Order: sequence, then C-alpha cells, then structure tokens
Amino acid sequence: EAGVAQSPRYKIIEKRQSVAFWCNPISGHATLYWYQQILGQGPKLLIQFQNNGVVDDSQLPKDRFSAERLKGVDSTLKIQPAKLEDSAVYLCASSLGALVDLGEQYFGPGTRLTVT
Amino acid sequence: GQQLNQSPQSMFIQEGEDVSMNCTSSSIFNTWLWYKQEPGEGPVLLIALYKAGELTSNGRLTAQFGITRKDSFLNISASIPSDVGIYFCAGLAPGAGSYQLTFGKGTKLSVIP
Repeated sequence: EAGVAQSPRYKIIEKRQSVAFWCNPISGHATLYWYQQILGQGPKLLIQFQNNGVVDDSQLPKDRFSAERLKGVDSTLKIQPAKLEDSAVYLCASSLGALVDLGEQYFGPGTRLTVT
Repeated sequence: GQQLNQSPQSMFIQEGEDVSMNCTSSSIFNTWLWYKQEPGEGPVLLIALYKAGELTSNGRLTAQFGITRKDSFLNISASIPSDVGIYFCAGLAPGAGSYQLTFGKGTKLSVIP
C-alpha cells in the first residue's frame, strides 16, 4: 500500500514570496490533515478536511495560508506571502475518517520550508 | 488551547536498557497515542489507547492510558540502536469542528551501542 506522498521535499524562498505544497493521501482515506512542525516542537494542526470539505481550520492563519482539496483526494497548502516564522516542516497526514480512529493518522515525509 | 507536557525532553541510554517516558495534561483526552519520528520522516504511529486504564503492548513497547484520562506513559524494554528517534505523545479530544490531535514536544532518544 502506497503511503502519503508529499512534494516538494525541500523549498527555500525569500520572505514575502509565495509557496505551495502538494499532498496525495493514502487511497480511500477520507480525512486529510495539514500540520506545521517547527524545529523542536510536535506537529500542530493547521487544517482538517473530510472528503472535500473543511472540518477544522481554527488554527490556520487565514490572512496568509490557504488550503484546498477540490476533488476529495489530493490537496494543496499555500502560503502567500511567507514570513520568516513560517520556516518549518509541513506535514500532510490522512486517516480513514471513522470517528473511532481519527487519531490513527498516517503521515507523509513532509516538506521542509526555509524562509530567508 | 490544550497542552501536553512530555518528559524527559531527551534521554541517552545504553543498548539493552529499558526506557520510560510520560505525558501529562490538565485536559482530558478520549484517546492517547504514541508516535515515533525519525530524521527526515513523518511521525509513525506506535500505539493507540482508547480506554482509561488500558495497557497495550506492541513488541518491546508498552503504553498505558492513565485512569484520570490526563496522562499516559510509554516504556521500551531492552532498547536497540534502531529505537533512536523522537517519541511524541498525542491526545485526541473534541476540537473546533471535529476531534483534534494535540502533540507533546517529544522525547529525543539516543541509544549508545
């Protein structure tokens, strides 16, 4: 079974530039998550999708971050414009979506973003 | 928001030794989970705990869901070099729109051969 795919693996941009990350979840997984992991911290949820609908985006900085999952499969996360403090690893995860196993999330390898 | 206090922050142990780490919170969680993250990779689920008091093993790993639902511990027995990594506890609780996973800051484990 193929895991969660993410691209690119690394990205370096200057502040005020834009960047986009892509994620393809495990086939059949209804729920998709984007997390931000700052160095030395645990992952922090940014947004959660159930199929193509947003379930929770309460921690997404909506003035600069946006995400979509138009067809209920793959997803993109965009930052526009980037700030220095956005330097982090952006992790995508997916789960089957059943309430009982929402914690059983499968993570991709992440995209390491450096903002200079 | 909810916070998880994970300790110790880091550990250096000899191969073959047992390891214990724990996680506490002021909030109640419905589910406790333990993940392991290696450099350049995303976290991988090790153990999931669904009931207060539950004790679950996965090979050399044993974890327990505290009776108060506010804490959990993870034990690793007879450590080996491939146990090296960062171990995160995570708690699942109702969030803004659904259930949300909150992670601790991690315990970095180093194993000396």
